Amino acid sequence: EAGVVQSPRYKIIEKKQPVAFWCNPISGHNTLYWYLQNLGQGPELLIRYENEEAVDDSQLPKDRFSAERLKGVDSTLKIQPAELGDSAVYLCASSRREDTEAFFGQGTRLTVV
Amino acid sequence: AQSVTQLGSHVSVSEGALVLLRCNYSSSVPPYLFWYVQYPNQGLQLLLKYTTGATLVKGINGFEAEFKKSETSFHLTKPSAHMSDAAEYFCAVIVDSSYKLIFGSGTRLLVRP
Repeated sequence: EAGVVQSPRYKIIEKKQPVAFWCNPISGHNTLYWYLQNLGQGPELLIRYENEEAVDDSQLPKDRFSAERLKGVDSTLKIQPAELGDSAVYLCASSRREDTEAFFGQGTRLTVV
Repeated sequence: AQSVTQLGSHVSVSEGALVLLRCNYSSSVPPYLFWYVQYPNQGLQLLLKYTTGATLVKGINGFEAEFKKSETSFHLTKPSAHMSDAAEYFCAVIVDSSYKLIFGSGTRLLVRP
């Protein structure tokens, strides 16, 4: 069974440019998470989806960040415009509904210059 | 507010020595507790978890952890370190039905030959 797939693995962009990350969760997993991991820190939740519904986006900076999960499978996370402080690793995770075990993708490392 | 504290951002041990990584949490309700491992440029992999039942939990790669409610701790141990154990280790909790993981800041384990 394939794990959580994220792309791209690495992205370098100039500040003020837009960027998008893509995540394909494990088949059958209804719940999808996007986490932000700053250097030297633990991941922090940005948004959680149950199927196509964003049920917790309280930590998502909505002035520049947006996310979608059309059809309740793949998800994209977008930043527009990117700032230097957005440089970090963006992790996607998925789980079965009401399951405590989340499976993580390898992450996308974003560098904003 | 719930939080997770990992004592020691870096822990160095000799190969074959005992590994002890400390984790304390604060929560007003009994939490679910987790240890994740992250190898360089990789996502997070679940080592072990405690939800209910036996307080001593065994995980993969010879790791185990004990939930001590009176001490609000969930320390990770391994009797004998191997070079391949060198990685970043994160303690995390779930405290409500959102199943949102709250992570500590991580401990980097260095294994000396």
